[in-house]
Amino acid sequence: AQSVTQLGSHVSVSEGALVLLRCNYSSSVPPYLFWYVQYPNQGLQLLLKYTSAATLVKGINGFEAEFKKSETSFHLTKPSAHMSDAAEYFCALYTGGFKTIFGAGTRLFVKA
Amino acid sequence: EAQVTQNPRYLITVTGKKLTVTCSQNMNHEYMSWYRQDPGLGLRQIYYSMNVEVTDKGDVPEGYKVSRKEKRNFPLILESPSPNQTSLYFCASSFRNPGQGNNSPLHFGNGTRLTVT
Repeated sequence: AQSVTQLGSHVSVSEGALVLLRCNYSSSVPPYLFWYVQYPNQGLQLLLKYTSAATLVKGINGFEAEFKKSETSFHLTKPSAHMSDAAEYFCALYTGGFKTIFGAGTRLFVKA
Repeated sequence: EAQVTQNPRYLITVTGKKLTVTCSQNMNHEYMSWYRQDPGLGLRQIYYSMNVEVTDKGDVPEGYKVSRKEKRNFPLILESPSPNQTSLYFCASSFRNPGQGNNSPLHFGNGTRLTVT
């Protein structure tokens, strides 16, 4: 069965520190993977997506993610956190058909 | 401006009183979908539509109805709301099946927070 697991419902980092948000997936077919960000009182916005063209994907706001098939992972990173990065982040999986499967989300806190 | 518009943003209602949440997109997208967001559960798909007059169930369709009479509109109908439908609802659209091609990420509305007492 297809699934997405985000490790850690809450992550807290200091401003300027590395951001690492973890996502693991399960899929029997080659996946399309996405990271979305949700700011308070807003809908989700696309950060980046993996569609098999390149394993290291760069997104908006300095975020990037690396697809590792052997580890079934698609972790999101940013070298230096900014206060404006505080939000909830969702990893999502699309494997065909008409359905996108979302992880439970990770709320990122950034301390001054 | 390209956008997905949901109304209302906030809604409080009582058990059993029919309600409709509207969703409209101005991007000529073929695919539209409704999700509910609950703490610890992420987003779960309620219904989706591939095009006008083509709809199908997602993972949690019980208690909901949808229609797609026009390409731009995809209303969510709760015929007899119950307290377990208290949630944050999102409408989303994409050019075609999510994941296919560079034009197919999901575009989300700002959400509708529904409380059923």
